[in-house]
Amino acid sequence: AQRVTQPEKLLSVFKGAPVELKCNYSYSGSPELFWYVQYSRQRLQLLLRHISRESIKGFTADLNKGETSFHLKKPFAQEEDSAMYYCAQGDGATNKLIFGTGTLLAVQP
Amino acid sequence: KAGVTQTPRYLIKTRGQQVTLSCSPISGHRSVSWYQQTPGQGLQFLFEYFSETQRNKGNFPGRFSGRQFSNSRSEMNVSTLELGDSALYLCASSLGATGFGYTFGSGTRLTVV
Repeated sequence: AQRVTQPEKLLSVFKGAPVELKCNYSYSGSPELFWYVQYSRQRLQLLLRHISRESIKGFTADLNKGETSFHLKKPFAQEEDSAMYYCAQGDGATNKLIFGTGTLLAVQP
Repeated sequence: KAGVTQTPRYLIKTRGQQVTLSCSPISGHRSVSWYQQTPGQGLQFLFEYFSETQRNKGNFPGRFSGRQFSNSRSEMNVSTLELGDSALYLCASSLGATGFGYTFGSGTRLTVV
């Protein structure tokens, strides 16, 4: 079964420090991968998708097929980045998103 | 333009009852998906509708059902509620027949007592 793994439940960093949220997927083909963010008391929002290769709010994510990873990175964390981050893989056969368990990013002042 | 609207926002039900949740997608969006979010299981896919047809269903018991109307609005129903059905139920809509350009609603928080 396809699986998305986010090994860290909590990542705490200081403001200005680099951030890397890890995500590994299990699909062997060409996956569609996404990062979603959920700020406190807000809805789940699409942060970025790998096919667009864009940077949103300073975040980037590179697909590494050899390591089956799609880690989310930001060079300098801001306090407003504190949120729950979910990595997700699209299953083209069922049109569903397979989510990881999420990583809570806490940016300390 | 209005986002995905879910009603009600909060719901408290008793074990054994049934419940209906509603989702109004973004205007023009024809695909609607439902997800269950719990602390223990995370985000899990329930089902997906397109043009009033259920195209895909997740691994949930038959007590969970849904439908989509001609205006793309969708409802999901849970019958014979169990304590374990307590969760945040999220609806997401997408413009096209394929792809994953989903926009999520704020969810309905269901508590079963």
